[in-house]
Amino acid sequence: AQSVTQLGSHVSVSEGALVLLRCNYSSSVPPYLFWYVQYPNQGLQLLLKYTTGATLVKGINGFEAEFKKSETSFHLTKPSAHMSDAAEYFCAVSGRDSGYSTLTFGKGTMLLVSP
Amino acid sequence: KAGVTQTPRYLIKTRGQQVTLSCSPISGHRSVSWYQQTPGQGLQFLFEYFSETQRNKGNFPGRFSGRQFSNSRSEMNVSTLELGDSALYLCASSLVQQGRAEKLFFGSGTQLSVL
Repeated sequence: AQSVTQLGSHVSVSEGALVLLRCNYSSSVPPYLFWYVQYPNQGLQLLLKYTTGATLVKGINGFEAEFKKSETSFHLTKPSAHMSDAAEYFCAVSGRDSGYSTLTFGKGTMLLVSP
Repeated sequence: KAGVTQTPRYLIKTRGQQVTLSCSPISGHRSVSWYQQTPGQGLQFLFEYFSETQRNKGNFPGRFSGRQFSNSRSEMNVSTLELGDSALYLCASSLVQQGRAEKLFFGSGTQLSVL
């Protein structure tokens, strides 16, 4: 069985500061890993995904994440936070056989950005 | 290109009733997945449909069912509603390549309240 743990239900940063959202996963086989963002009253939008190859993955809006197999982690970072980044972020994992549709999500981390 | 459309946007029902939610995928997308989002349990996979067939199913009781039509539109039904069914129900569509769903595109969801 797969599982995802996101450390911190809320993370607060100042505008211009580094954003770091933590995600650890548990999977018996190398999984696919994803980060999604959800703005209020909207659905989820894919930020980035890791399937194979380069372990540093770049996504939209300046976000990137690094897959570290030895640490079973897939932390999301952005060098400089913007007010528009305030939203809820979800880390997710799927099995390689099930494709991208059967996702196991973490509980989410609300990112708060102050001016 | 129109996004994933979910109707209705909001729904209020009482315990014991049944409800049907609708999802129109992006044109050309043949895979439709459904997720339930609640504050307590987070995002949980319900099921996936492809070519009118259920391919994957999450760990939900039989009161939750779905179907997909030949035009890829999907409906999900919940019978004998319980208070705990109050949630945001998200639909996602995707292309299928080599038998696996690709990037998920989410709708804005249907907010179901059970009184």
